Amino acid sequence: GESVGLHLPTLSVQEGDNSIINCAYSNSASDYFIWYKQESGKGPQFIIDIRSNMDKRQGQRVTVLLNKTVKHLSLQIAATQPGDSAVYFCAENQGGYNKLIFGAGTRLAVHP
Amino acid sequence: DAGVTQSPTHLIKTRGQQVTLRCSPKSGHDTVSWYQQALGQGPQFIFQYYEEEERQRGNFPDRFSGHQFPNYSSELNVNALLLGDSALYLCASSLGHWGNQPQHFGDGTRLSIL
Repeated sequence: GESVGLHLPTLSVQEGDNSIINCAYSNSASDYFIWYKQESGKGPQFIIDIRSNMDKRQGQRVTVLLNKTVKHLSLQIAATQPGDSAVYFCAENQGGYNKLIFGAGTRLAVHP
Repeated sequence: DAGVTQSPTHLIKTRGQQVTLRCSPKSGHDTVSWYQQALGQGPQFIFQYYEEEERQRGNFPDRFSGHQFPNYSSELNVNALLLGDSALYLCASSLGHWGNQPQHFGDGTRLSIL
């Protein structure tokens, strides 16, 4: 399939380790954030979202942390598996309308 | 429960031609947004349709136009194609155009301009 993120920063982890992917967002008025996973040849897949009135939200094996003071978002993946290998994007919704602004993306490479 | 579906999956055109891409939203969704994703980059917002009207537009020329039908499906049209229009075109659907609702994406149409 098509290769996504040819020149993106890469995070390499061992299978079973925890992964942390970071994202700096641009607009202090943004009030809603989403993490997406994109595999080669596929569209972005929704992982987890968080609203600006929260600092932390947990899903299945994933946790999103939001630091509004420094406009920083992180995605933590517990017990990373080979199937987690993909490009990860954070996206922010700038005020009301469902119009997403995407970050540059990070490639996660999981090694056995 | 069908997710977002897009057609065709791949398309090859030459400069100056026109193209139409199609999208069916996830069941229960009424809002469709279109994004352009160049290789190695994140998706960029083109425009959004709700109640058959364009509600928001990103920084794209008017060669890019769209339409939404009563069944909520949508088309993206691009006229006078340029080499720089080569990209993956993604459709996303959501419930409502206002408020913080998650957008769900299709697998896109890969458009190549020769």
